[in-house]
Amino acid sequence: DTAVSQTPKYLVTQMGNDKSIKCEQNLGHDTMYWYKQDSKKFLKIMFSYNNKELIINETVPNRFSPKSPDKAHLNLHINSLELGDSAVYFCASSQTGGGYEQYFGPGTRLTVT
Amino acid sequence: SQQGEEDPQALSIQEGENATMNCSYKTSINNLQWYRQNSGRGLVHLILIRSNEREKHSGRLRVTLDTSKKSSSLLITASRAADTASYFCATVPPPYNTDKLIFGTGTRLQVFP
Repeated sequence: DTAVSQTPKYLVTQMGNDKSIKCEQNLGHDTMYWYKQDSKKFLKIMFSYNNKELIINETVPNRFSPKSPDKAHLNLHINSLELGDSAVYFCASSQTGGGYEQYFGPGTRLTVT
Repeated sequence: SQQGEEDPQALSIQEGENATMNCSYKTSINNLQWYRQNSGRGLVHLILIRSNEREKHSGRLRVTLDTSKKSSSLLITASRAADTASYFCATVPPPYNTDKLIFGTGTRLQVFP
């Protein structure tokens, strides 16, 4: 059984387009996250949600908008895509309130041309 | 930047040898975690050590933590080709209730059969 799943796995699109990445977890966790991993493998948190409430919002352009319809889902919508948005985006989930281990999805490789 | 640093950036060893990688971080922490990332895959949690612990073992993994030096090390004993991956440390900085993880820059480990 897949614990944290993301779709799509690969996304190739042109500059200026709008795209979405979906994430679902079946672990019963209350907290979900989006991370960005760049070409140098640096991994940085973008957002976290706890039970549909935004908790962490790092310095991310407002072209990125997370949406959590329920605590098992956290989607990421990106408007007006730019070349610099090309990266691997990871969704993760964890229990809440104690720095618990996080469970990562397989990643979505976004390429903007 | 809050990002921690890992040393070495890359490490190549033969099967059966031990691999040691080091992590330095910048702030006080709640805990420190180590993750593994196989090529093209998501991160997998390996081990968590709390700020009041000095050493922890899990199978062939041994982690140490020195909060006075803000550093940690991960030792993989009797390495196998399957251990080939990137290894990241991650810390939980204050405020501890956000579950925010700050990742290090990673160590790429290559184990030759």
